[in-house]
Amino acid sequence: NAGVMQNPRHLVRRRGQEARLRCSPMKGHSHVYWYRQLPEEGLKFMVYLQKENIIDESGMPKERFSAEFPKEGPSILRIQQVVRGDSAAYFCASSKLAGKQSSYNEQFFGPGTRLTVL
Amino acid sequence: GQQVMQIPQYQHVQEGEDFTTYCNSSTTLSNIQWYKQRPGGHPVFLIQLVKSGEVKKQKRLTFQFGEAKKNSSLHITATQTTDVGTYFCVSSNTGKLIFGQGTTLQVKP
Repeated sequence: NAGVMQNPRHLVRRRGQEARLRCSPMKGHSHVYWYRQLPEEGLKFMVYLQKENIIDESGMPKERFSAEFPKEGPSILRIQQVVRGDSAAYFCASSKLAGKQSSYNEQFFGPGTRLTVL
Repeated sequence: GQQVMQIPQYQHVQEGEDFTTYCNSSTTLSNIQWYKQRPGGHPVFLIQLVKSGEVKKQKRLTFQFGEAKKNSSLHITATQTTDVGTYFCVSSNTGKLIFGQGTTLQVKP
């Protein structure tokens, strides 16, 4: 049973270009989460999606960032007009069920995409 | 919003010494999870604690959840070089995970 897949593993972009990060959840998982990790810091939540729906995007910057999880295919995190401050590791996680306050469903993380903006 | 604060940020120990990292929240937590991230790797789930005062053990690792459900700790007995990495305490809130800053453990052989 393959784990969470992310590609590319490393991505280099020049300022102003677009970055597209892809995430395929574990088989049977319909909930996808994106997190960003700056060097020497913890992961910061960005967005939570189910198939074709954005459930919580409270951690997404208001401009240049968007995410989708179509009916078919991987989830995509898209960063337009990248700037140096976007350089970070972007992790995707998936779970089978949504976490609720009184119960928990483990999130499985992918290997991450390390984005470098020159 | 909900936050978890973690100390220390870094810890260097000699192999065989013990290690403890602490996690605190200003609000009552419904649960606390612990993740480990190896250098260059991704977070890997270790354990979840739900009940007040809960203690769980995994071999040399002991996890505690405070009585008030506002703090937690991870203790490693007799560290080994394979314990190297960053340990995160994590709270969950309606799906999303809220990570502490992490404690990075270095083990000197």
